[in-house]
Amino acid sequence: QVQLVQSGAEVKKPGASVKVSCKASGYSFINYYMHWVRQAPGQGLEWMGMINPSDGNTDYAQTFQGRLTMSRDTSTNTVYMELSSLKSDDTAIYYCARKMIAPFDIWGQGTMVTVSS
Amino acid sequence: IQLTQSPSSLSASVGDRVTITCRASQGISRYLAWYQQKPGKAPKLLIYSASTLQSGVPSRFSGSGSGTDFTLTISSLQPEDFATYYCLQLNGYPLTFGPGTTVDLK
Repeated sequence: QVQLVQSGAEVKKPGASVKVSCKASGYSFINYYMHWVRQAPGQGLEWMGMINPSDGNTDYAQTFQGRLTMSRDTSTNTVYMELSSLKSDDTAIYYCARKMIAPFDIWGQGTMVTVSS
Repeated sequence: IQLTQSPSSLSASVGDRVTITCRASQGISRYLAWYQQKPGKAPKLLIYSASTLQSGVPSRFSGSGSGTDFTLTISSLQPEDFATYYCLQLNGYPLTFGPGTTVDLK
């Protein structure tokens, strides 16, 4: 079946980086843009950016410019989201979600990233 | 593009008709989607293109609107519908979500 499976929870210290993976299965990986959305504890949803798995082109929210890198590996149908210079405010659940015509119809299960000294 | 939702929360009973409003700070045509999120779960797509029901979503959910004003309606609230609902604009980047509307049991 169509699914996105994300890597496990992470605990990082302020200033460190985190890299979260999202492995797609059950559909044509290169035909759907992949987006990342985060949700701080008890808060709403925040769009972070997207990657085109076909050519690797990316578009990031201005909020994360300079700290966020998305990449993909077409041999394993996996996309990655790396956030650097972590702050306590980056503590959140990070989701990947695919988009084509029906936006974000499939989501990963979420990855909790905790930033704490 | 900023999105506002009203109300921020509401209390309702099973069988009630529930309407949630999403307003955009500028016109977004019909590039709006609605999501339902339950605690500890990823959001679930309900409606896209303002009024297109996602496959598998019950017909008691409906969406309407265009330009700046949109509504999500649940015609007869069911126990499994108690959740938080978010709108999302897809007219331009950065994509933005509304702040959410929590529907709980009266």
